[in-house]
Amino acid sequence: AQSVTQLDSHVSVSEGTPVLLRCNYSSSYSPSLFWYVQHPNKGLQLLLKYTSAATLVKGINGFEAEFKKSETSFHLTKPSAHMSDAAEYFCVVIPLDSGTYKYIFGTGTRLKVLA
Amino acid sequence: EPEVTQTPSHQVTQMGQEVILRCVPISNHLYFYWYRQILGQKVEFLVSFYNNEISEKSEIFDDQFSVERPDGSNFTLKIRSTKLEDSAMYFCASSELAGGPGEQFFGPGTRLTVL
Repeated sequence: AQSVTQLDSHVSVSEGTPVLLRCNYSSSYSPSLFWYVQHPNKGLQLLLKYTSAATLVKGINGFEAEFKKSETSFHLTKPSAHMSDAAEYFCVVIPLDSGTYKYIFGTGTRLKVLA
Repeated sequence: EPEVTQTPSHQVTQMGQEVILRCVPISNHLYFYWYRQILGQKVEFLVSFYNNEISEKSEIFDDQFSVERPDGSNFTLKIRSTKLEDSAMYFCASSELAGGPGEQFFGPGTRLTVL
């Protein structure tokens, strides 16, 4: 069965310090992987996506993620956190070649940025 | 920039009543989806819709649920007889690519409260 595990439900960082949000996936198929962000009372916004091209993916707002097949991971990073990064982040997988294109969501990580 | 819109933003209803949640997907998109997020839980897939028919549905999407694209622009989710456990945030999404894992664009959601 396909699944996504976000290892931390809450992460707190100080403004200006690095951000690491962890995501591991389980898929019998080659996956497409996404990170979405949800600000309070807003919809889900795509940060970045991996679709079997470069393993290091750059997204919006300075975020990037690296696909590591050997570790089945797709962790999200940012070198320097900004107050506006405070939000909920979702890792999402689509198991390619499975005949389905529904998103499978992780449980989410709430990022808190301290001044 | 085109976006997915949803109405209403918040719907309160009595148990047993019918509700219709409305979505206007991005105009040139071909795949449409409904997801829901019960408070404190992960986002869950409900149904996908392509070429005027359901292409996939989850076990949550039982006979109480139906979807429709009545006029070529709106995409609706109907719950025939609401239950307390239907209280959730409902997200509509659309994607451009047919038959492929294209990026899904999400609306801001409708918060459904069943009393």
